[in-house]
Amino acid sequence: EIVLTQSPATLSLSPGEGATLSCRASQSVNRYLAWFQQKPGQAPRLLIFDASNRATGIPARFSGSGSGTDFTLTISSLEPEDFAVYYCQQRSDWPLTFGGGTQVDIK
Amino acid sequence: QVHLVESGGGVVQSGRSLRLSCAASGFTFSNYGMHWVRQAPGKGLEWLASLWHDGSNKYYRDSVKGRFTISRDNSRNTLYLHLSSLRADDTAVYYCARGPGGGDGRIDYWGQGTLVTVSS
Repeated sequence: EIVLTQSPATLSLSPGEGATLSCRASQSVNRYLAWFQQKPGQAPRLLIFDASNRATGIPARFSGSGSGTDFTLTISSLEPEDFAVYYCQQRSDWPLTFGGGTQVDIK
Repeated sequence: QVHLVESGGGVVQSGRSLRLSCAASGFTFSNYGMHWVRQAPGKGLEWLASLWHDGSNKYYRDSVKGRFTISRDNSRNTLYLHLSSLRADDTAVYYCARGPGGGDGRIDYWGQGTLVTVSS
């Protein structure tokens, strides 16, 4: 099973600041990595698919990069609605796996 | 727009069974793979099972293999998850999610989830 390790576990930032979230895979997943955002009491929402492609309707302040085992989700300037938990997910191999999540908190 | 609505959750005794449903609308259901993912209270996301658009391939995580069964009825635009031999650690919100393409592990849209609580 491919293990995804997200860091940091928690990120405390202020609105307007940039955020950099990391996801590391235990083996190469090529570019088959997605990022999801989840707010309390809500379902996850797809942000990025295949490492760097923004999903429909996702603002340009969200960007993804990486390949192989190291991936990054960057939020260029945090808006109040961006404070949430972010998960990465790989589809390179079965079972599908998710990272443990990074919580982005308001500082 | 894509709409996924789960139902069938509730409180169930340990060892019993339950069937969850996911009603899909706003897209051609028979063209898409589908997934079930769960989230225990205060925890992260855990993939459970996936089913190809035509039902030809199924995948399960090891911990639910033999206990959970994923199925679909393309004529009713509905996805199912049959849960049996339920345990306390199966307590979670269960989400269905759409897989763009026939079934390759991609996940895009999610339902709002249905809560399953297993009591001992």
